[in-house]
Amino acid sequence: EVQLVESGGGLVQPGGSLRLSCAVSGFTVSNNYVTWVRQAPGKGLEWVSVIYPGGNTYYADSVKGRFTISRDNSKNTVDLQVKILRIEDTAIYYCARGLWNEYWGQGTLVTVSS
Amino acid sequence: EIVMTQSPATLSVSPGERATLSCRASQNVRVNLAWYQQKPGQAPRLLIYGASTRATGIPARFSGSGSGTEFTLTISSLQSEDFADYYCQQYSDWPLTFGGGAKVDIK
Repeated sequence: EVQLVESGGGLVQPGGSLRLSCAVSGFTVSNNYVTWVRQAPGKGLEWVSVIYPGGNTYYADSVKGRFTISRDNSKNTVDLQVKILRIEDTAIYYCARGLWNEYWGQGTLVTVSS
Repeated sequence: EIVMTQSPATLSVSPGERATLSCRASQNVRVNLAWYQQKPGQAPRLLIYGASTRATGIPARFSGSGSGTEFTLTISSLQSEDFADYYCQQYSDWPLTFGGGAKVDIK
């Protein structure tokens, strides 16, 4: 059974950092696309980043230079390092498998506030 | 960036009726388009990928069509569990982008 479980969210001040983690079971992260998508309170979905099986990474313009996606094949996890956080980064952050995301986690909430 | 525009923003439909949602891409995305359903407090659920292929376990009343820049999601006979938000997403070019969403509510 495929499962994705996000962790690492929390309350952080503007300019702060967090490391979000996506623990996966039922497939191997090294052989799959893994994506991060976020959703601000009451708003729509926003694609954030993806890591390819080959290791290539891509980012939304709104997070480029501040967010970094990486994976740990030994732990079967995909992390999203989020830095220089802004108020507008407040959202539920979901990880999902694939370019068209067939499997999703339940999300982790990041709140950026002073 | 490819902009995805969904219409209408809200669709009011009676149970048993047909619902048709549209999604327009600002550039040609071929058939690299997915549809998702989201209910309050839940993660999104993949309905359609490749513009017209139903995901695993998705009922046949959901169908997708289109290619290039114009796409449609049709729910042939709305059930109570279908009242939700719906999003399209293109995965043809970076950055991947979602439409703004469409809400299907009870008339």
